[in-house]
Amino acid sequence: DQQVKQNSPSLSVQEGRISILNCDYTNSMFDYFLWYKKYPAEGPTFLISISSIKDKNEDGRFTVFLNKSAKHLSLHIVPSQPGDSAVYFCAASPLARQLTFGSGTQLTVLP
Amino acid sequence: DTAVSQTPKYLVTQMGNDKSIKCEQNLGHDTMYWYKQDSKKFLKIMFSYNNKELIINETVPNRFSPKSPDKAHLNLHINSLELGDSAVYFCASSQAGGRSYEQYFGPGTRLTVT
Repeated sequence: DQQVKQNSPSLSVQEGRISILNCDYTNSMFDYFLWYKKYPAEGPTFLISISSIKDKNEDGRFTVFLNKSAKHLSLHIVPSQPGDSAVYFCAASPLARQLTFGSGTQLTVLP
Repeated sequence: DTAVSQTPKYLVTQMGNDKSIKCEQNLGHDTMYWYKQDSKKFLKIMFSYNNKELIINETVPNRFSPKSPDKAHLNLHINSLELGDSAVYFCASSQAGGRSYEQYFGPGTRLTVT
């Protein structure tokens, strides 16, 4: 039972363009959503988060959008850089406790 | 300085053996976790400890036993290893309270059971 889904296992984007990573969830109890970034042979690192009371959160080149009615969130990276190439995991939490992760999307930014 | 460290990084062992993975965090966090990343790449919570007390214990075989000697350490002991235990295991930590969802992960331990 996948409560957090990332349907695109991979995404390739040209350097300087926008990267859009998508995530869908099914559990209405989730009230906090996060994106983690993972390089090979390293653990995931926290990137950006959004509370369910907001629909947008921005941090530099990274913006997360939340559409509660559609149970959908997305991560926008503008402009994309080669160093952004990594696996991006979407995660969700009820009451800021246990995280449920998606399966990840491999982003490749082409120079 | 490494915030969350795990040892060993790689572990190859035979079925039926008992092994341990160690985790230490120097962030002063009071909550620690163990996750398993399976072949489908999902990261699934196994255990969570807060101040040396077990607060989350997902459905994992009782061959897996977490041990927390103090709040900076959470070790994972696995008895009678099986082929299906092969995976990458991540330790993580977080601070209690409103930012508890911001978990800091270790580099992972790749366990291969032959």
